[in-house]
Amino acid sequence: DSGVTQTPKHLITATGQRVTLRCSPRSGDLSVYWYQQSLDQGLQFLIQYYNGEERAKGNILERFSAQQFPDLHSELNLSSLELGDSALYFCASSVRDVYTEAFFGQGTRLTVV
Amino acid sequence: SQKIEQNSEALNIQEGKTATLTCNYTNYSPAYLQWYRQDPGRGPVFLLLIRENEKEKRKERLKVTFDTTLKQSLFHITASQPADSATYLCAPLSGGYNKLIFGAGTRLAVHP
Repeated sequence: DSGVTQTPKHLITATGQRVTLRCSPRSGDLSVYWYQQSLDQGLQFLIQYYNGEERAKGNILERFSAQQFPDLHSELNLSSLELGDSALYFCASSVRDVYTEAFFGQGTRLTVV
Repeated sequence: SQKIEQNSEALNIQEGKTATLTCNYTNYSPAYLQWYRQDPGRGPVFLLLIRENEKEKRKERLKVTFDTTLKQSLFHITASQPADSATYLCAPLSGGYNKLIFGAGTRLAVHP
Protein backbone atom coordinates (compact mmCIF):
# COMPACT_ATOMS: atom_id res chain seq x y z
CA ASP A 1 0.00 0.00 0.00
CA SER A 2 1.57 3.27 -1.19
CA GLY A 3 -0.55 5.45 1.06
CA VAL A 4 -2.05 7.28 -1.94
CA THR A 5 -5.78 6.73 -2.27
CA GLN A 6 -7.67 7.18 -5.52
CA THR A 7 -11.43 7.00 -5.88
CA PRO A 8 -13.32 5.58 -7.57
CA LYS A 9 -11.37 2.50 -8.70
CA HIS A 10 -13.59 1.99 -11.72
CA LEU A 11 -15.85 4.36 -13.60
CA ILE A 12 -18.02 3.72 -16.62
CA THR A 13 -19.68 6.66 -18.25
CA ALA A 14 -21.12 7.77 -21.56
CA THR A 15 -19.59 10.05 -24.16
CA GLY A 16 -20.22 13.71 -23.52
CA GLN A 17 -20.41 13.28 -19.76
CA ARG A 18 -18.25 14.81 -17.04
CA VAL A 19 -16.49 12.92 -14.25
CA THR A 20 -14.35 13.80 -11.26
CA LEU A 21 -11.48 11.64 -10.09
CA ARG A 22 -10.21 12.09 -6.56
CA CYS A 23 -6.78 11.63 -5.04
CA SER A 24 -5.72 11.70 -1.42
CA PRO A 25 -1.92 11.96 -1.16
CA ARG A 26 0.21 10.36 1.52
CA SER A 27 0.14 12.20 4.80
CA GLY A 28 2.64 15.05 4.65
CA ASP A 29 3.18 14.98 0.89
CA LEU A 30 2.86 18.40 -0.71
CA SER A 31 3.13 17.47 -4.39
CA VAL A 32 0.46 15.71 -6.39
CA TYR A 33 0.86 14.49 -9.99
CA TRP A 34 -1.72 13.20 -12.44
CA TYR A 35 -1.03 10.79 -15.29
CA GLN A 36 -3.05 9.14 -18.04
CA GLN A 37 -2.16 5.66 -19.27
CA SER A 38 -4.07 4.29 -22.24
CA LEU A 39 -4.04 0.58 -22.98
CA ASP A 40 -0.48 -0.67 -23.54
CA GLN A 41 0.78 2.91 -23.66
CA GLY A 42 3.24 4.84 -21.53
CA LEU A 43 2.44 7.18 -18.69
CA GLN A 44 1.43 10.59 -20.02
CA PHE A 45 2.06 13.42 -17.58
CA LEU A 46 -0.96 15.68 -17.21
CA ILE A 47 -0.36 18.14 -14.39
CA GLN A 48 1.41 18.68 -11.07
CA TYR A 49 0.40 20.66 -7.99
CA TYR A 50 2.54 21.72 -5.10
CA ASN A 51 0.94 22.85 -1.88
CA GLY A 52 -2.19 24.03 -3.65
CA GLU A 53 -0.55 25.71 -6.62
CA GLU A 54 -0.14 24.45 -10.15
CA ARG A 55 3.55 23.70 -10.62
CA ALA A 56 3.86 22.04 -14.03
CA LYS A 57 1.63 21.17 -16.92
CA GLY A 58 1.94 18.43 -19.51
CA ASN A 59 -0.20 17.69 -22.55
CA ILE A 60 -3.44 18.11 -20.68
CA LEU A 61 -6.49 18.68 -22.86
CA GLU A 62 -8.56 21.82 -22.39
CA ARG A 63 -11.49 19.55 -21.51
CA PHE A 64 -9.53 18.40 -18.47
CA SER A 65 -8.86 20.44 -15.36
CA ALA A 66 -7.51 19.80 -11.91
CA GLN A 67 -7.03 21.44 -8.57
CA GLN A 68 -5.43 20.80 -5.22
CA PHE A 69 -7.38 21.80 -2.16
CA PRO A 70 -6.12 23.26 1.15
CA ASP A 71 -6.19 19.80 2.73
CA LEU A 72 -3.90 18.74 -0.16
CA HIS A 73 -6.27 16.28 -1.77
CA SER A 74 -6.64 16.74 -5.50
CA GLU A 75 -9.36 16.28 -8.09
CA LEU A 76 -9.09 15.76 -11.82
CA ASN A 77 -12.14 16.82 -13.79
CA LEU A 78 -12.74 15.36 -17.23
CA SER A 79 -15.54 16.81 -19.32
CA SER A 80 -17.13 16.25 -22.72
CA LEU A 81 -15.75 12.75 -22.54
CA GLU A 82 -14.78 10.92 -25.70
CA LEU A 83 -14.14 7.24 -26.31
CA GLY A 84 -10.42 7.98 -26.52
CA ASP A 85 -10.40 9.22 -22.95
CA SER A 86 -10.81 5.65 -21.75
CA ALA A 87 -7.65 4.93 -19.77
CA LEU A 88 -6.12 4.36 -16.37
CA TYR A 89 -5.63 7.61 -14.53
CA PHE A 90 -2.94 7.61 -11.88
CA CYS A 91 -2.27 10.04 -9.13
CA ALA A 92 1.08 10.20 -7.38
CA SER A 93 2.39 12.22 -4.48
CA SER A 94 5.80 13.14 -3.14
CA VAL A 95 7.04 14.88 -0.06
CA ARG A 96 8.43 17.90 -1.80
CA ASP A 97 9.16 17.92 -5.48
CA VAL A 98 10.16 15.74 -8.41
CA TYR A 99 13.54 15.01 -6.83
CA THR A 100 11.96 12.97 -4.10
CA GLU A 101 10.42 9.54 -4.48
CA ALA A 102 6.91 9.57 -5.93
CA PHE A 103 4.26 7.19 -4.58
CA PHE A 104 1.50 6.14 -6.95
CA GLY A 105 -2.08 5.25 -6.21
CA GLN A 106 -3.88 2.19 -7.58
CA GLY A 107 -5.39 4.25 -10.37
CA THR A 108 -8.91 4.92 -11.60
CA ARG A 109 -9.94 2.92 -14.63
CA LEU A 110 -12.22 5.08 -16.76
CA THR A 111 -14.28 3.51 -19.49
CA VAL A 112 -16.20 5.80 -21.81
CA VAL A 113 -18.96 4.05 -23.79
CA SER B 1 12.52 19.00 -27.54
CA GLN B 2 13.48 16.73 -24.68
CA LYS B 3 13.32 13.06 -25.44
CA ILE B 4 13.57 9.90 -23.34
CA GLU B 5 14.23 6.61 -25.10
CA GLN B 6 13.86 3.14 -23.66
CA ASN B 7 14.01 -0.03 -25.68
CA SER B 8 10.44 -0.65 -26.78
CA GLU B 9 11.10 -4.32 -27.46
CA ALA B 10 10.61 -6.70 -24.59
CA LEU B 11 13.71 -8.12 -23.00
CA ASN B 12 13.53 -11.87 -22.49
CA ILE B 13 16.12 -13.50 -20.27
CA GLN B 14 16.67 -16.73 -18.41
CA GLU B 15 16.29 -16.92 -14.66
CA GLY B 16 19.58 -16.32 -12.89
CA LYS B 17 21.04 -14.12 -15.60
CA THR B 18 21.65 -10.38 -15.39
CA ALA B 19 19.12 -8.12 -17.07
CA THR B 20 20.36 -4.81 -18.43
CA LEU B 21 17.93 -2.09 -19.44
CA THR B 22 18.86 1.16 -21.15
CA CYS B 23 17.55 4.70 -20.79
CA ASN B 24 18.81 7.32 -23.22
CA TYR B 25 17.86 10.98 -23.17
CA THR B 26 18.45 13.88 -25.54
CA ASN B 27 18.22 17.65 -25.55
CA TYR B 28 18.63 18.16 -21.83
CA SER B 29 21.00 17.51 -18.97
CA PRO B 30 19.31 15.85 -16.02
CA ALA B 31 20.84 16.17 -12.60
CA TYR B 32 18.89 13.18 -11.29
CA LEU B 33 17.43 10.06 -12.73
CA GLN B 34 14.79 7.81 -11.20
CA TRP B 35 13.85 4.22 -12.03
CA TYR B 36 10.43 2.71 -11.35
CA ARG B 37 8.83 -0.66 -11.79
CA GLN B 38 5.29 -1.06 -13.10
CA ASP B 39 3.22 -4.24 -13.07
CA PRO B 40 0.20 -4.55 -15.42
CA GLY B 41 -2.73 -2.47 -14.22
CA ARG B 42 -0.82 -1.16 -11.20
CA GLY B 43 0.82 2.14 -10.38
CA PRO B 44 4.60 2.44 -10.76
CA VAL B 45 6.77 1.74 -7.74
CA PHE B 46 9.94 3.70 -7.06
CA LEU B 47 13.18 1.69 -7.14
CA LEU B 48 16.21 3.96 -7.20
CA LEU B 49 17.29 7.57 -7.63
CA ILE B 50 20.78 8.42 -8.84
CA ARG B 51 22.39 11.85 -8.94
CA GLU B 52 24.67 13.00 -11.74
CA ASN B 53 27.73 12.94 -9.49
CA GLU B 54 27.10 9.39 -8.26
CA LYS B 55 27.89 7.44 -11.42
CA GLU B 56 26.66 4.19 -9.84
CA LYS B 57 24.14 3.19 -7.19
CA ARG B 58 23.19 -0.21 -5.79
CA LYS B 59 20.27 -1.63 -3.87
CA GLU B 60 20.22 -5.35 -3.21
CA ARG B 61 20.21 -7.02 -6.67
CA LEU B 62 19.72 -3.71 -8.48
CA LYS B 63 22.43 -1.49 -9.89
CA VAL B 64 22.02 1.79 -11.77
CA THR B 65 24.69 3.73 -13.62
CA PHE B 66 24.45 7.29 -14.89
CA ASP B 67 26.74 8.46 -17.69
CA THR B 68 26.15 12.14 -18.37
CA THR B 69 28.62 12.11 -21.27
CA LEU B 70 26.78 9.35 -23.09
CA LYS B 71 23.43 10.74 -21.87
CA GLN B 72 22.52 7.27 -20.72
CA SER B 73 21.52 5.30 -17.66
CA LEU B 74 21.80 1.53 -17.38
CA PHE B 75 19.65 -0.49 -15.00
CA HIS B 76 20.89 -3.94 -14.03
CA ILE B 77 19.10 -6.73 -12.19
CA THR B 78 21.47 -9.50 -11.17
CA ALA B 79 20.39 -13.07 -10.47
CA SER B 80 17.06 -12.28 -12.09
CA GLN B 81 13.92 -14.10 -11.00
CA PRO B 82 10.53 -14.59 -12.69
CA ALA B 83 9.12 -12.18 -10.06
CA ASP B 84 11.28 -9.44 -11.63
CA SER B 85 9.11 -9.61 -14.76
CA ALA B 86 7.54 -6.18 -15.17
CA THR B 87 7.91 -2.94 -17.11
CA TYR B 88 10.73 -0.69 -15.95
CA LEU B 89 10.47 3.07 -16.40
CA CYS B 90 13.14 5.73 -16.21
CA ALA B 91 12.59 9.40 -15.44
CA PRO B 92 15.54 11.76 -16.02
CA LEU B 93 15.07 15.02 -14.12
CA SER B 94 16.74 18.36 -14.71
CA GLY B 95 17.42 20.75 -11.89
CA GLY B 96 14.63 23.28 -11.86
CA TYR B 97 12.62 21.31 -14.39
CA ASN B 98 9.58 20.26 -12.54
CA LYS B 99 7.89 17.70 -14.74
CA LEU B 100 8.19 14.09 -13.60
CA ILE B 101 8.12 12.55 -17.07
CA PHE B 102 8.76 8.91 -17.79
CA GLY B 103 10.13 7.03 -20.72
CA ALA B 104 7.80 4.55 -22.40
CA GLY B 105 9.38 1.72 -20.40
CA THR B 106 10.97 -1.60 -21.23
CA ARG B 107 9.12 -4.81 -20.54
CA LEU B 108 11.27 -7.47 -18.91
CA ALA B 109 10.28 -11.14 -18.96
CA VAL B 110 12.34 -13.54 -16.88
CA HIS B 111 11.79 -17.17 -17.84
CA PRO B 112 12.31 -20.11 -15.45
